Amino acid sequence: NAGVTQTPKFRILKIGQSMTLQCAQDMNHNYMYWYRQDPGMGLKLIYYSVGAGITDKGEVPNGYNVSRSTTEDFPLRLELAAPSQTSVYFCATRSGRTSTDTQYFGPGTRLTVL
Amino acid sequence: RKEVEQDPGPFNVPEGATVAFNCTYSNSASQSFFWYRQDCRKEPKLLMSVYSSGNEDGRFTAQLNRASQYISLLIRDSKLSDSATYLCVVSPFSGGYNKLIFGAGTRLAVHP
Repeated sequence: NAGVTQTPKFRILKIGQSMTLQCAQDMNHNYMYWYRQDPGMGLKLIYYSVGAGITDKGEVPNGYNVSRSTTEDFPLRLELAAPSQTSVYFCATRSGRTSTDTQYFGPGTRLTVL
Repeated sequence: RKEVEQDPGPFNVPEGATVAFNCTYSNSASQSFFWYRQDCRKEPKLLMSVYSSGNEDGRFTAQLNRASQYISLLIRDSKLSDSATYLCVVSPFSGGYNKLIFGAGTRLAVHP
């Protein structure tokens, strides 16, 4: 099992460019999450999904969009990149079988917007 | 006030030392508590859950004080491999959403 995979690992964008961060999981987990982590800060939830076709906003959704057409994939879209979106982005999943089961994180995507 | 607060450190300790981290949380309705470990430039990984009665996993002991709204992590006999950032994580009960609120982390550096 690959677990949670994210691509790309690194990316540099110019202001105003768009890109999609990919997240895939092979654990058949219902719940998927996108977080961002700024230096010296805790992880902040951007969007989450409780299953295919269902997504909802987290704490910091502005400037991002998501879709969940399959159980396995949960891409995060940046439409007009801004320097404030420079961060490390982590995708996470959990099974959802209990309310407190563990979240598993992908290796992250380091994004710089110049 | 931050929802989860931690001393950022760094805590610099020699191998074999005992070190303790504390964390406070603001939401008294919080239901679940965890410590995650994050190595430099890596993803967070669950270290241990924290139970009301306190729990131990090898050299690691976690305790919860609901009345004072703080969580602690004690590491005994520190190893070089324990060097990492330790994230205090709190989850308010919100159905199946399992929202996790992360502290900014406490950095530990264990030296020979």
